[in-house]
Amino acid sequence: AQTVTQSQPEMSVQEAETVTLSCTYDTSESDYYLFWYKQPPSRQMILVIRQEAYKQQNATENRFSVNFQKAAKSFSLKISDSQLGDAAMYFCAYRSGNSGNTPLVFGKGTRLSVIA
Amino acid sequence: EPEVTQTPSHQVTQMGQEVILRCVPISNHLYFYWYRQILGQKVEFLVSFYNNEISEKSEIFDDQFSVERPDGSNFTLKIRSTKLEDSAMYFCASRLGPYQETQYFGPGTRLLVL
Repeated sequence: AQTVTQSQPEMSVQEAETVTLSCTYDTSESDYYLFWYKQPPSRQMILVIRQEAYKQQNATENRFSVNFQKAAKSFSLKISDSQLGDAAMYFCAYRSGNSGNTPLVFGKGTRLSVIA
Repeated sequence: EPEVTQTPSHQVTQMGQEVILRCVPISNHLYFYWYRQILGQKVEFLVSFYNNEISEKSEIFDDQFSVERPDGSNFTLKIRSTKLEDSAMYFCASRLGPYQETQYFGPGTRLLVL
């Protein structure tokens, strides 16, 4: 079974600075998808960014980018120019690329605080 | 922008009572999911649903749980006889199709079992 590990329970960053959240995963599959979801205090799960394992290029979405290291099974999230609204729990998630309706497997999350 | 909706946002129930949590997935999506998140813990998969049947379910999804798509829009999770440990946030998610990998989550239903 696949597992996702987020080794940083809490992180903090100064407003306008850059922060990197770590995620590693364990799988024997070669085809899969990785995601970062943000959960603000409202507890809604909001997709931040997605990476397909077959793509070598790291995904970017505005101030959010990932460092995807397939061989190392690492998928870190970089937030540039941090804003107060970035404060939230961040969950890394894995989904098998096998056909079918396989679910997301989540890590335990990293709570990010942004200091003004 | 279309979004997944869930009702109620909060539900308080007595242990042993039945609850039904409702979700309206994004209208053209084909794959549906329920997850739960006990306070302070990670999000856990309960069940996935496609073509009017369960695709996959976790160990958590025992005989006390059931899912249904009673009409073309709603997707419900029923807990037959609630336990204290069922207190959690329950999230519904939907996905467009086999080549669209992103799952879109609803805002969740916070269930408290007393």
